[in-house]
Amino acid sequence: DVKVTQSSRYLVKRTGEKVFLECVQDMDHENMFWYRQDPGLGLRLIYFSYDVKMKEKGDIPEGYSVSREKKERFSLILESASTNQTSMYLCASSSSKRATYEQYFGPGTRLTVT
Amino acid sequence: SQQGEEDPQALSIQEGENATMNCSYKTSINNLQWYRQNSGRGLVHLILIRSNEREKHSGRLRVTLDTSKKSSSLLITASRAADTASYFCATDPIYGGSQGNLIFGKGTKLSVKP
Repeated sequence: DVKVTQSSRYLVKRTGEKVFLECVQDMDHENMFWYRQDPGLGLRLIYFSYDVKMKEKGDIPEGYSVSREKKERFSLILESASTNQTSMYLCASSSSKRATYEQYFGPGTRLTVT
Repeated sequence: SQQGEEDPQALSIQEGENATMNCSYKTSINNLQWYRQNSGRGLVHLILIRSNEREKHSGRLRVTLDTSKKSSSLLITASRAADTASYFCATDPIYGGSQGNLIFGKGTKLSVKP
């Protein structure tokens, strides 16, 4: 069974703080994704990665960066948190070996920036 | 880049009734997938239908795909209170862009009343 874990379920940070959200998957998946989910807007892709040390911008990368130093770990970094980054953050992974690319999601991190 | 659009946005039914949700998309696809999200949690993959398939079943789930109309429907038969969740369609588009980058819709919120 694929397991995707995220470092925190709930997080409260102050404006201007640097925030790290960690995601780990245990199925040797090549692809990893970071989304944010807001009411009425659905899932929006922030960044994704197809391999170690590779990253690609998604639809809303501004204010975020990512790091993938190991295959199983994909980190999302908020360089200077702002209140408009208050959201639910979802990490997902998928296998390139399966051409159907089903994504497996972590439980989410609800981030509040005050 | 929003591709899938679910309809209706919200659906409320009684236990035992059938629930039908629809998804429309814009570009040609390799496959279409449906996911479920329980409140405040990550998404869970339910079922996948390839572009050359018209119908697929999994337990109480039935998915249809009409590529000429660029639409899909998810039918949940004999619904239960535990089916209460948001349901998302996701498409794997055919274009020369990033492999495995699914495009998610905004979801249908299903409420099943006991």
